[in-house]
Amino acid sequence: EADIYQTPRYLVIGTGKKITLECSQTMGHDKMYWYQQDPGMELHLIHYSYGVNSTEKGDLSSESTVSRIRTEHFPLTLESARPSHTSQYLCASSQTENTEAFFGQGTRLTVV
Amino acid sequence: GQNIDQPTEMTATEGAIVQINCTYQTSGFNGLFWYQQHAGEAPTFLSYNVLDGLEEKGRFSSFLSRSKGYSYLLLKELQMKDSASYLCAVLDSNYQLIWGAGTKLIIKP
Repeated sequence: EADIYQTPRYLVIGTGKKITLECSQTMGHDKMYWYQQDPGMELHLIHYSYGVNSTEKGDLSSESTVSRIRTEHFPLTLESARPSHTSQYLCASSQTENTEAFFGQGTRLTVV
Repeated sequence: GQNIDQPTEMTATEGAIVQINCTYQTSGFNGLFWYQQHAGEAPTFLSYNVLDGLEEKGRFSSFLSRSKGYSYLLLKELQMKDSASYLCAVLDSNYQLIWGAGTKLIIKP
């Protein structure tokens, strides 16, 4: 069983609110990722990190930020939520780029 | 651009065999992954191929042909619990994962 956790599992918030989605892993993995996934669609990379103090932008990064102060923790912040942010957000980690990624259970976000 | 193609949906019968195809066009290649994703859940790793040929793991096998930009996932002795989406993902030259939209597999009794 993967040791990667996301909170909250479900979140309903109003437009304009600032939110932080939490992700923690206890496997000591250097590589961590945030993905956005709509039903029946592919995963889109939002941000990724290769280790502490390393963060990189993916395809959908323009409206969010991440930090990597500790190996185990990789939070994602939306500064001002909009209805278009309604989606499932998945956090993942891996030992290297070409080894299996372990995913958290996801946060299903609804912005009203 | 980079592209991963998989059938949107497939239907198979319990106990049968099904092959899910994946074709890709990416800038470089550093391996291909298959993941299983049950509805409402997170993806879980099934296989990784970086060399041509067939990798077998229990009821599941994965095949790769780099020259054809082609892979397939073969599921044998299908069980109802195999009803899920199967995601193909390619690691490109920058070691970034490019994901397909997934194939929804429906198993009928």
